[in-house]
Amino acid sequence: SQKIEQNSEALNIQEGKTATLTCNYTNYSPAYLQWYRQDPGRGPVFLLLIRENEKEKRKERLKVTFDTTLKQSLFHITASQPADSATYLCALEGTEYGNKLVFGAGTILRVKS
Amino acid sequence: NAGVMQNPRHLVRRRGQEARLRCSPMKGHSHVYWYRQLPEEGLKFMVYLQKENIIDESGMPKERFSAEFPKEGPSILRIQQVVRGDSAAYFCASSPRRGARTEAFFGQGTRLTVV
Repeated sequence: SQKIEQNSEALNIQEGKTATLTCNYTNYSPAYLQWYRQDPGRGPVFLLLIRENEKEKRKERLKVTFDTTLKQSLFHITASQPADSATYLCALEGTEYGNKLVFGAGTILRVKS
Repeated sequence: NAGVMQNPRHLVRRRGQEARLRCSPMKGHSHVYWYRQLPEEGLKFMVYLQKENIIDESGMPKERFSAEFPKEGPSILRIQQVVRGDSAAYFCASSPRRGARTEAFFGQGTRLTVV
């Protein structure tokens, strides 16, 4: 069956460190993979999109990698800040019908000062 | 350009009543997704619509739930004869293109409480 798996346990890190979040998928062959941030009580906000032919994408303190052989994406936040505390979701295309966008369950990140 | 607008933000319904959730996508966006989220859980895909067409409704319960995205006006998610288990946050997202090739813009959600 198809799965998108993200760390179910919260990630607690110290301010200034690099946070690394993992997204693994099974039985998908996505051409695109996305990462979103969700704060409590709010809708998700888009962060980064990476294509299958891109190994790495950067935006300010954010970096995403996409390994189609391992079927894995890593999401890094460097020099983390308490304001980065949120739930981070990965999303990709479910390809059965018309490319719907499906999400992992998300990983909670807590950055402590 | 206003973002994705969902209303109402909060909706309380008694068991057996109907719930109508509205989503106005961003201007120029013809792709709309509906998701359901329970506390401490991820976004569960419900339905994907393109103007006047249901593209994929594989995540939507076969009974009581329906969705539409008419040529004019907002997308509507309708839940008939609500039960307590329907209590959740319902999010709508819109996109100018299909799938994951471009970002999706989310509304703030409608929190449905069934009493």
